[in-house]
Parts: sequence; C-alpha cells; structure tokens
Amino acid sequence: EIVLTQSPGTLSLSPGERATLSCRASQSVSSRNLAWYQQKPGQAPRLLIYGTSSRATGIPDRFSGSGSGTDFTLTITRLEPEDFAVYYCQQYSSTPFALTFGGGTKVEIK
Amino acid sequence: QVQLQQSGPGLVKPSQTLSLTCAISGDSVSSNIAAWNWIRQSPSRGLEWLGRTYYRSRWHNDYAVFVKSRITINPDTSKNQFSLQLNSVTPEDTAVYYCARDVLGTGDPLDYWGQGTLVTVSS
Repeated sequence: EIVLTQSPGTLSLSPGERATLSCRASQSVSSRNLAWYQQKPGQAPRLLIYGTSSRATGIPDRFSGSGSGTDFTLTITRLEPEDFAVYYCQQYSSTPFALTFGGGTKVEIK
Repeated sequence: QVQLQQSGPGLVKPSQTLSLTCAISGDSVSSNIAAWNWIRQSPSRGLEWLGRTYYRSRWHNDYAVFVKSRITINPDTSKNQFSLQLNSVTPEDTAVYYCARDVLGTGDPLDYWGQGTLVTVSS
C-alpha cells in the first residue's frame, strides 16, 4: 500500500502570504492519480486539484498543484481568510484498486 | 448538480452491523463513468477509503483490504442510491462516514461528497 506523508503538520501564516504544502509518497505515483482536498471544520472534504495540477470546477487560480514521482506540492499563492483549513493529498492505485489519503496539513492564521 | 444525501443511525452497538444509505440526485448509480464510494474519518486514523461500487456492463465492487471481510456496498437502482454495511463493529469503527462519487478516466478524484454521518459504536 502506498503511504502518503504530508508536511508540515501545521503551517502558521498570515492572509496574503504564500503557502507551500508537501505530499511525499512511499512509492512512485502516477501524476494522473494525485489529488488535493480542502476540509473545514464540520464539512466534508472538497476537491481542489486532480491529476496533480488540474483545478476542479470553481476553484480559484491561487490554488495550484505540481510534482511527479514521489513528491507533490500544493501552492496557495496569496492566502485569503477562507483558505485557512486542513488540506489532504490523495492517490489511487489500480491493482488492486485502493485510495489512500495523507495525514493532512493544517493551515492556520498566524 | 450532483447531490449526495446520507441517512442512517448514529449509534450502533458493538458486534452489530452499521448500515448507511446514500441517495443520489443529479446522476445515476448505474452511470457508466462514475463510481460510488464510502470513506470514513476519525481523529486517530484520519481519512480512510472503505470501498466502492460501480456499473460497467455488470456491477463491480472494490474494498479496502483492512475491512474486506466485514463490508458490503450495494447499489439500489430502484431508489438511485447505494448502501454501506459494516459487520461486527467495534469502538474502533467510530467515525464520521462519508459517501462520495468518483469519475473514471480523470484519475478517480472524489468530486462530490455527502454531508457525513457521525457513527458511534457503543453499548
């Protein structure tokens, strides 16, 4: 099973700053199979990025994803107040099929 | 717009069966390009994918290895919904349970989610 490790655990930043979140896989992941989600308290996760770098419908362009192999990054260029949340990366393996999530990075207001 | 509405009890006794339903609007459980998933989340274990069902000429299921012996996910085409049954539950199964859709051919991201159901396993 592929394990996803996210870092840092918590990121303390101010509105307007840039956030860089890391997701490292224990084995190589196809770029097509890597996604990012945002979760706010009491809500379900929301899809932000799929296929490493494609934004989901309605996601603003301050969110971007990049990476390949075992190292992937979510970047938020200028933090808005509504961006303070927990972010998860997720990958899927096809044989056998399985989805796994990282442990999450909390982006909090400094 | 796809919407997923979850229902089911919030309290289950140890050793009994956890049962939840996810009603779909704006899509079909029999869709040839979607799959219908159950995921759970707890503070100790984080987000865990449990399994999914989908239709490609016939019905298919994929289950997570760690629950494979205890889980059943079934579609209900007459009501356009799908269900989760988890047998022999223990307090470790206490979590918020979510249903979600993934669309094949795009890397299977989970693009629509239900509202979540907190299920507590306790006597």
